[in-house]
Amino acid sequence: GNSVTQMEGPVTLSEEAFLTINCTYTATGYPSLFWYVQYPGEGLQLLLKATKADDKGSNKGFEATYRKETTSFHLEKGSVQVSDSAVYFCAQHQETSGSRLTFGEGTQLTVNP
Amino acid sequence: DVKVTQSSRYLVKRTGEKVFLECVQDMDHENMFWYRQDPGLGLRLIYFSYDVKMKEKGDIPEGYSVSREKKERFSLILESASTNQTSMYLCASSPTRFVSPQHFGDGTRLSIL
Repeated sequence: GNSVTQMEGPVTLSEEAFLTINCTYTATGYPSLFWYVQYPGEGLQLLLKATKADDKGSNKGFEATYRKETTSFHLEKGSVQVSDSAVYFCAQHQETSGSRLTFGEGTQLTVNP
Repeated sequence: DVKVTQSSRYLVKRTGEKVFLECVQDMDHENMFWYRQDPGLGLRLIYFSYDVKMKEKGDIPEGYSVSREKKERFSLILESASTNQTSMYLCASSPTRFVSPQHFGDGTRLSIL
């Protein structure tokens, strides 16, 4: 079946450090891929997305590239800020599953000043 | 911007009570979803709906039911609340059956005593 695996957290970084959160997926076809972010006390917000191989999604300084050959969609940011502290979820969507999303477990990021 | 509104941010109920969680979206989306979020388990889909009066089971429907009498409103019902249903509940909506992403509400933190 379809699944998403994220790197285990929590992740703690200092301000201005480089961030990578790994995400790999298993799928029978070619899904669309997403990163969602959940700030404390809030629901999930879409951070970025990619719909086909080699697409790069980007937003707020975050980037992720859809790598079909490694079935990965790693999230990166060159210089994190304290305000980036949140839980990050990787997700996939396949049309064969209707509108259902399959989420990873989430990765808690804490950025210290 | 799409707005998904959950009726309560925090709710405390007693074991055995019938509990209603309400969700309203304002963008005429066809699809609506209920998830629960627990530490280490990510988001798990409880029920979803593609249209008024239609519902489909997600991955963990036991102990829950749903109601969708109007397109904009999707209710989650805990028939007889139990302590293992203490969790964060998230509602989401998306435009059509094959289009993502999903838009989330801010969540309801439910405690069953």
